[in-house]
Amino acid sequence: EADIYQTPRYLVIGTGKKITLECSQTMGHDKMYWYQQDPGMELHLIHYSYGVNSTEKGDLSSESTVSRIRTEHFPLTLESARPSHTSQYLCASSELVEQYFGPGTRLTVT
Amino acid sequence: SQQGEEDPQALSIQEGENATMNCSYKTSINNLQWYRQNSGRGLVHLILIRSNEREKHSGRLRVTLDTSKKSSSLLITASRAADTASYFCATDGENNNDMRFGAGTRLTVKP
Repeated sequence: EADIYQTPRYLVIGTGKKITLECSQTMGHDKMYWYQQDPGMELHLIHYSYGVNSTEKGDLSSESTVSRIRTEHFPLTLESARPSHTSQYLCASSELVEQYFGPGTRLTVT
Repeated sequence: SQQGEEDPQALSIQEGENATMNCSYKTSINNLQWYRQNSGRGLVHLILIRSNEREKHSGRLRVTLDTSKKSSSLLITASRAADTASYFCATDGENNNDMRFGAGTRLTVKP
């Protein structure tokens, strides 16, 4: 098992709320990623980071933001949640090519 | 944009049979990886094959890569019910620092 953690695992929240999804890894990896995945569908890269103070947007347009103040921590924030944000969010990290994934956060916005 | 595309979308077999999944991609790559995802969980890395390799084995897994056809296949031999999962191929992106995943093949192995 990889040492990468995501909290919360499940979250149900009302429209308009601000939420932060947490992702932490203890492997010292410089590269970290956020993916969005609807059930049974492909993964879409929404944000990635090559190291501290480095963040980039991925392919999928997202209303979320990320920060990378510490190597081990890569939180994702939604300033105002909407029902269209309902999905599973997967965090991953890598040192070289292989990516290690967290268990995911299943978000439901009502 | 999506790079890898798996085929078939879904596959159902009996325990003990072999399962073959295919992946096609569009642009040149340095590496291709296969991942497994159990329902509602994160992905787990299975195997990596580099662009200068043609075949690789890991336990009951066999991966082939044909760069001329821009395709790869994953073979699981002597399948078990525990192999039931979704399998994704991933190829490195344009700047080699991110990957693109396909939509996956959902494999069901019936006991």
